[in-house]
Amino acid sequence: GQNIDQPTEMTATEGAIVQINCTYQTSGFNGLFWYQQHAGEAPTFLSYNVLDGLEEKGRFSSFLSRSKGYSYLLLKELQMKDSASYLCAVQLGYSTLTFGKGTMLLVSP
Amino acid sequence: GAVVSQHPSWVICKSGTSVKIECRSLDFQATTMFWYRQFPKQSLMLMATSNEGSKATYEQGVEKDKFLINHASLTLSTLTVTSAHPEDSSFYICSAKLLTLLGGVQETQYFGPGTRLLVL
Repeated sequence: GQNIDQPTEMTATEGAIVQINCTYQTSGFNGLFWYQQHAGEAPTFLSYNVLDGLEEKGRFSSFLSRSKGYSYLLLKELQMKDSASYLCAVQLGYSTLTFGKGTMLLVSP
Repeated sequence: GAVVSQHPSWVICKSGTSVKIECRSLDFQATTMFWYRQFPKQSLMLMATSNEGSKATYEQGVEKDKFLINHASLTLSTLTVTSAHPEDSSFYICSAKLLTLLGGVQETQYFGPGTRLLVL
């Protein structure tokens, strides 16, 4: 089966940096996505990695190591509005995404 | 760009009735759309892949006769929950696949705002 692991919860302080890790063991791999999901809302796209290395987008960066089956999402200069669930998803085969259970991030003042 | 809408945003219905949910890609054409279900405090579970002009592909354990999917055009897919029961109450989310060329072909799924279904 497919296995995608993320921490269940994390807490951080406003203005700080937080790293959310994701490890995966899947039968295929065509890329890894990170989505943000606020409570009661649908996920919004944050980043996509298919090659090893770091992709930076403003306050958000995502890293991938395919050989290690590992990715992380780095959030800098945390803001209260960053409190949300962060979903790691692996693209298997043709288009299909398999999601991890998500990491609930709570940002406190 | 890459906006996906869903309608209705929420629905309450009696047990035994059917409910139709629409998913539209507003500013791009999507040959492939996806339907997910999310129960409280759980992650998204893929129900089916909807391909324009052909039959949907259902994930294991999802009843195709209960969850009818129609992808009649490049911008619209519908999910009909037939004879809904309380255990079908959930958050249903669709996504549409967008292909972009960024140093290679990148497929990204953009999600609709979701439909919250409550079956009494």
